[in-house]
Amino acid sequence: DVKVTQSSRYLVKRTGEKVFLECVQDMDHENMFWYRQDPGLGLRLIYFSYDVKMKEKGDIPEGYSVSREKKERFSLILESASTNQTSMYLCASRRASYNEQFFGPGTRLTVL
Amino acid sequence: AQTVTQSQPEMSVQEAETVTLSCTYDTSESNYYLFWYKQPPSRQMILVIRQEAYKQQNATENRFSVNFQKAAKSFSLKISDSQLGDTAMYFCAFIGQGGSEKLVFGKGTKLTVNP
Repeated sequence: DVKVTQSSRYLVKRTGEKVFLECVQDMDHENMFWYRQDPGLGLRLIYFSYDVKMKEKGDIPEGYSVSREKKERFSLILESASTNQTSMYLCASRRASYNEQFFGPGTRLTVL
Repeated sequence: AQTVTQSQPEMSVQEAETVTLSCTYDTSESNYYLFWYKQPPSRQMILVIRQEAYKQQNATENRFSVNFQKAAKSFSLKISDSQLGDTAMYFCAFIGQGGSEKLVFGKGTKLTVNP
């Protein structure tokens, strides 16, 4: 079975802190994604990566950056956390030639 | 741009009954995939069912089936013999084959199965 793991289930940070959210997949998938999920808004794509060292902006990249130095790991970085970044963050991966995405358990981030 | 609309923010059903969740989408592409994902409370999102647009036959997975109406751009999910474990958020999603690699999600329907 494909496994996508995220470094934390719950995270509390202060405004202005630098925040790292880590995602690891174990199935050698080329594509990886970061979404944020908010009530009534569904899932919104922040960034995605087709392969190592490649990244593309999604629909809401402002305030975020990403890093993909290894194929299995995709990191989401909040350079200076703000209260409006309080949300559930979901990571996903898929093999390039298939379209099913596999999701991690999510990180619920609270910025105080 | 593709859009996915789920018009029912919340639904409820009695255990063992059948419920249908609605989804419509907008696209100019001729070939694409449609998905239903399930997100149980505090648990991981998982794929329920997938439909390829060029296949006329509706996809089925055990108690889950879809009614895919390509001309109407409609993709509803039917859950038969509802179980308490079906309580979840359900998301309809679309991905085109015209170059975009991004999955487009609806806003979700919260389904509650009552005992």
